[in-house]
Amino acid sequence: QPVLTQPPSASGTPGQRVTISCSGSRSNIGSNTVSWYRQLPGTAPEVLIHTNNQRPSGVPGRFSGSKSGTSASLAISGLQSEDEADYYCATWDDSLNGFWVFGAGTKLTVL
Amino acid sequence: QVQVVQSGAEVRRPGASVKISCQTAGYTFTNYPIHWVRQAPGQRLEWLGWIITANGDTKYSQKFQDRISITSDTSTTTAFMELRSLRFEDTAIYYCVRPDGTMIVVPKEVHFQHWGQGTLVTVSS
Repeated sequence: QPVLTQPPSASGTPGQRVTISCSGSRSNIGSNTVSWYRQLPGTAPEVLIHTNNQRPSGVPGRFSGSKSGTSASLAISGLQSEDEADYYCATWDDSLNGFWVFGAGTKLTVL
Repeated sequence: QVQVVQSGAEVRRPGASVKISCQTAGYTFTNYPIHWVRQAPGQRLEWLGWIITANGDTKYSQKFQDRISITSDTSTTTAFMELRSLRFEDTAIYYCVRPDGTMIVVPKEVHFQHWGQGTLVTVSS
């Protein structure tokens, strides 16, 4: 089954800028938009970015997204301790009659 | 504001079925579909399927197609997900999600905006 590949971990110090990548294929990221979700321990995910680079209301401007070809990335600037969480990318995959696919998640540690 | 509240934790034997409810409020129920996503311990999120609450049309992930049913009740603004023939590997937190997007009835043109709190389903002998 097609997957989205993310680095298992990332880290940074307060105030730094961190980027998390998400690599896919032509049938998913290459053909559809990407969204990003943050999940704090014991809670449901929350959307940070949709349609590649759009922030829902209430999401700080420190979070930004981009997409190029079959890859996407999430950037977090001005890193804060409360950003420590798991981050997932997601997109639609056109194969196998179509389905949503998520990355394996990146655990962000704020040092 | 939009509220999405799921039923409580369940424990089932292998081979049994489980049905989870997802009660919504704060918006017009039939204007938005409902998706179901699960997360097994230490695993990535996994999409199960969705329902167009306006007409009951469903679309399921091919992986679950033969043992999942998603339904909805417009009178109680509640969606349901039933998973049959449970296996140990179905142990997971199950989430219902109300999406947002520019073309809300096209499953690929949405994002997962409003999540329920999750329902833990444990399959154990």
